[in-house]
Amino acid sequence: KAGVTQTPRYLIKTRGQQVTLSCSPISGHRSVSWYQQTPGQGLQFLFEYFSETQRNKGNFPGRFSGRQFSNSRSEMNVSTLELGDSALYLCASSLVQGQETQYFGPGTRLLVL
Amino acid sequence: AQSVTQLDSQVPVFEEAPVELRCNYSSSVSVYLFWYVQYPNQGLQLLLKYLSGSTLVKGINGFEAEFNKSQTSFHLRKPSVHISDTAEYFCAVSETGFQKLVFGTGTRLLVSP
Repeated sequence: KAGVTQTPRYLIKTRGQQVTLSCSPISGHRSVSWYQQTPGQGLQFLFEYFSETQRNKGNFPGRFSGRQFSNSRSEMNVSTLELGDSALYLCASSLVQGQETQYFGPGTRLLVL
Repeated sequence: AQSVTQLDSQVPVFEEAPVELRCNYSSSVSVYLFWYVQYPNQGLQLLLKYLSGSTLVKGINGFEAEFNKSQTSFHLRKPSVHISDTAEYFCAVSETGFQKLVFGTGTRLLVSP
């Protein structure tokens, strides 16, 4: 069974632009969570989606948004990019909401210039 | 709210020596506990998890961890490390029934010959 896939793997943007990152969960998994990893703040929870509904949200500004499609694929969007948004964005999937085991993708590394 | 403290940012060790990576957590509710490993330029891989039951948990690659409720600790151990164990290790906690993971700041394990 294929793992969690994230596209693109690397991205360079400039301040003020917006970006969309994509995550395809493991086949059959319906819950998708997003995390941001930076050297300064570490790993921080962004949001979680289950059955196309956002179930939980971390402490990030409204510039960060996401959605989930009926096939469980998820996208996250960051508008009006800032230098501090440079990070590794990780997606994780699990079979159902609240299941204890999450499987992480390789991440998308975003560099904002 | 939950929090996780990893006391050591870096642990240098020689190959074939034992190692312990320390993790303490804080929570007012019942939690699950996890250890993840991250190799350079990769996502997170689950090493092991504690949900309930036996306090000694065995994971992949010869790692094990012991849950100590009174000391709110979940230290990771391996009796004999290999060069290939060089990576960053993250301790994480989630409230039971919820997807959101709260991570520690990570411990970089450096194994030298």
